[in-house]
Amino acid sequence: DIQMTQSPSSLSASIGDRITITCRATQNIDNYLNWFQQRPGQAPILLISRASDSRRGVPSRFSGSRSGTDFTLTITSLQPEDFASYYCQQTYSGPFTFGQGTKLEMK
Amino acid sequence: QVHLAESGGTVVQPGTSLRLSCVASGFSFNTYAFHWVRQAPGKGLDWVAVIWYDGSYKYYADSVKGRFTISRDNSKTTVYLEMNSLRPEDTGVYYCARDRCSTSCYAGMDVWGQGTTVTVSS
Repeated sequence: DIQMTQSPSSLSASIGDRITITCRATQNIDNYLNWFQQRPGQAPILLISRASDSRRGVPSRFSGSRSGTDFTLTITSLQPEDFASYYCQQTYSGPFTFGQGTKLEMK
Repeated sequence: QVHLAESGGTVVQPGTSLRLSCVASGFSFNTYAFHWVRQAPGKGLDWVAVIWYDGSYKYYADSVKGRFTISRDNSKTTVYLEMNSLRPEDTGVYYCARDRCSTSCYAGMDVWGQGTTVTVSS
């Protein structure tokens, strides 16, 4: 099974900061990597699919990239509504595992 | 509009069974695969199962394999999760989400339901 290691598990930042969250796969997953945002009490929202394809309606400050088996979610110029939890997920082969999550908190 | 609605969650005792439903509306149901994803209280997302658009392929997390069964009824635009031999660690919010899959799933889970809560406790 493919494991996804996501880091950091928590992150403290301020409005206007640029942050990055990383996921590493234990084997090649091509670009079958998605990023989700989840606010407390709500269902997750798909931000980025296929490693770098931003979803329609997602602000342009969210971007994704890939380098081999390493994937990065970058948020530039943090806004108040961005403080939430973020998850990566591989959909290359089953089981379609999620990373452990990153909780982004306001400093 | 595009919508998924889960139901069936409740409080049950360990060892019992439960069936969750996910009713879809507003899109071409039989062209999409569906996942079930769960979240234990205060924990992260945990992928459970997937079923292909035509039901030809199903895959399960190791933690539920042999106990849970995913199925779909395209005539009712509904996906099911039959859960047997429930354990306390199965407690959580269960979400269904749509995707597009062939050999891999390539579109991302772009529509989610609001979730239904399962509590397994004696």
